[in-house]
Amino acid sequence: AQSVAQPEDQVNVAEGNPLTVKCTYSVSGNPYLFWYVQYPNRGLQFLLKYITGDNLVKGSYGFEAEFNKSQTSFHLKKPSALVSDSALYFCAVRDGYSSASKIIFGSGTRLSIRP
Amino acid sequence: GAGVSQSPRYKVAKRGQDVALRCDPISGHVSLFWYQQALGQGPEFLTYFQNEAQLDKSGLPSDRFFAERPEGSVSTLKIQRTQQEDSAVYLCASSLVRLAATYEQYFGPGTRLTVT
Repeated sequence: AQSVAQPEDQVNVAEGNPLTVKCTYSVSGNPYLFWYVQYPNRGLQFLLKYITGDNLVKGSYGFEAEFNKSQTSFHLKKPSALVSDSALYFCAVRDGYSSASKIIFGSGTRLSIRP
Repeated sequence: GAGVSQSPRYKVAKRGQDVALRCDPISGHVSLFWYQQALGQGPEFLTYFQNEAQLDKSGLPSDRFFAERPEGSVSTLKIQRTQQEDSAVYLCASSLVRLAATYEQYFGPGTRLTVT
């Protein structure tokens, strides 16, 4: 069975500092990994994905994520945080061996950037 | 073009009432998904359509939940005899391709259902 864990409910960072939002996963086959962001009263917005290839994936709004197979992690990072990055972030995984459609989301991490 | 739209945005239902939630996916998107998001939680998969065919409904929590996409575009999620535990945000998402495993999904703003 596939699963994803976001161990931190909340991450607080000062504006201008680097940020990391953690995600670990478990799948039986090759993982397809995604990060989404959710702003208040809005749907989820796609940030980036890892399917195959380079372990460092770059996405929208200056975010990037590093796929680490040995640690089964896919942490979201940004070199310099902005106040506007404050939102709810979800990591998601799909098992690449399966043709099933199901995508599993983590419980979310609330990112708070203080001025 | 326009993104995924959902209506109504907010719905209050008395326990026992039936509700219908509508999703208009991005034009041309083959795959359509429904998710349930409880307060403070991540979205949980309900069901998946490829065109008009419902290929996976393993996430529907009970037989009170029913989804359809008769013409392969607009979809409706129906909940019969609503219960308080059905209160959640219902998200719809669409994706361009048939085998959607590697492709991101585009989400609508959701319908917040409150059952009183």
